[in-house]
Amino acid sequence: KAGVTQTPRYLIKTRGQQVTLSCSPISGHRSVSWYQQTPGQGLQFLFEYFSETQRNKGNFPGRFSGRQFSNSRSEMNVSTLELGDSALYLCASSLGTGNEKLFFGSGTQLSVL
Amino acid sequence: GDSVTQMEGPVTLSEEAFLTINCTYTATGYPSLFWYVQYPGEGLQLLLKATKADDKGSNKGFEATYRKETTSFHLEKGSVQVSDSAVYFCALSGAAGTALIFGKGTTLSVSS
Repeated sequence: KAGVTQTPRYLIKTRGQQVTLSCSPISGHRSVSWYQQTPGQGLQFLFEYFSETQRNKGNFPGRFSGRQFSNSRSEMNVSTLELGDSALYLCASSLGTGNEKLFFGSGTQLSVL
Repeated sequence: GDSVTQMEGPVTLSEEAFLTINCTYTATGYPSLFWYVQYPGEGLQLLLKATKADDKGSNKGFEATYRKETTSFHLEKGSVQVSDSAVYFCALSGAAGTALIFGKGTTLSVSS
């Protein structure tokens, strides 16, 4: 059974650009969550999607957005990139919302120059 | 709001040493508690969990006991191996449907 797949693995952007990250959950999983991981702040929750609906949202500015498609694949978008957005972005899937066992992908390492 | 506090790392041990990584939490109600592990270049993996007071989670020689009186969930292993070198995250899940809240992680380095 394939795990959670995130693409791309690495990304380099410049300030002011926008970026889209992709996440394919484990087959059969309907919930996808996104986390931002930085050395200073650790893991911070961005948002969770279940059946194409955003169920939870963390404390991030509106520049961070996401969506989920009917096949449960999810994308997150960051507009008007800032240097502080440099981080590892992790996607996690689970069977259903509120299901506590999360399966994480390897992440997308975003560098903003 | 809910939060998790872990001991600062890095923790450096020799192979076969005893490991303790401290974790305390603040939460309303009765959260579930977790330890996740992140190996270099990989995502997080669930290591163990406990869902109610006095529960002991265990996996791969690691153990942690849910202590409500001290609001703690310390991770222990009797004899660490080089392959245990990783970053360990303590986390809690509060009310149903809410996101997992993670501690900042503790880096463990084991040398032979």
